[in-house]
Amino acid sequence: AQTIHQWPVAEIKAVGSPLSLGCTIKGKSSPNLYWYWQATGGTLQQLFYSITVGQVESVVQLNLSASRPKDDQFILSTEKLLLSHSGFYLCASRVGERLFFGHGTKLSVL
Amino acid sequence: QQQVRQSPQSLTVWEGETAILNCSYEDSTFDYFPWYRLFPGESPALLIAIRPVSNKKEDGRFTIFFNKREKKLSLHITDSQPGDSATYFCAASRPGSFNKLTFGAGTRLAVCP
Repeated sequence: AQTIHQWPVAEIKAVGSPLSLGCTIKGKSSPNLYWYWQATGGTLQQLFYSITVGQVESVVQLNLSASRPKDDQFILSTEKLLLSHSGFYLCASRVGERLFFGHGTKLSVL
Repeated sequence: QQQVRQSPQSLTVWEGETAILNCSYEDSTFDYFPWYRLFPGESPALLIAIRPVSNKKEDGRFTIFFNKREKKLSLHITDSQPGDSATYFCAASRPGSFNKLTFGAGTRLAVCP
């Protein structure tokens, strides 16, 4: 069975500071990986997806970027955080038609 | 433009009642509609899903009713239990586009004992 590990669990960052969130998948080779963002009480907004190492597709522009440096790793980052980046970030892996989510990272931008 | 809409935003029912959660969509090319459930402090997990070839999908106490003509679907939870209290997300994707899943804003369900 695959496991999805996200780090850190929570972050408190200042506006304008850089950010890097990580996601590691174990137990599945060549996974399709996704980043989702949920504003407090809001919907799950898909940000990026990646089907292979080095390839990332952007779904919505939020001044964020993503990279797939390894088969089992997906990174979400930005050089300058905005207040609007606050929320909950979820990494997911797809098996067939089903998405499996990590436990997420709670980001507070002050 | 919100492509997947859910209503109500929040719903409270008594234990044993049937909870009805509604979902509607804009794009008639959507052909896969999963419902994900999110318990507080946990990750969203797939609950049940339907394709337009069917107008009903049942799994235990959970049933999806689908109306393709009106572009509406609903999730019925019969004999609601306090343990069903969670946020339920309706989602949709287009043919061959499993990599782009659009979620609704969710319905927060509370089941009172």
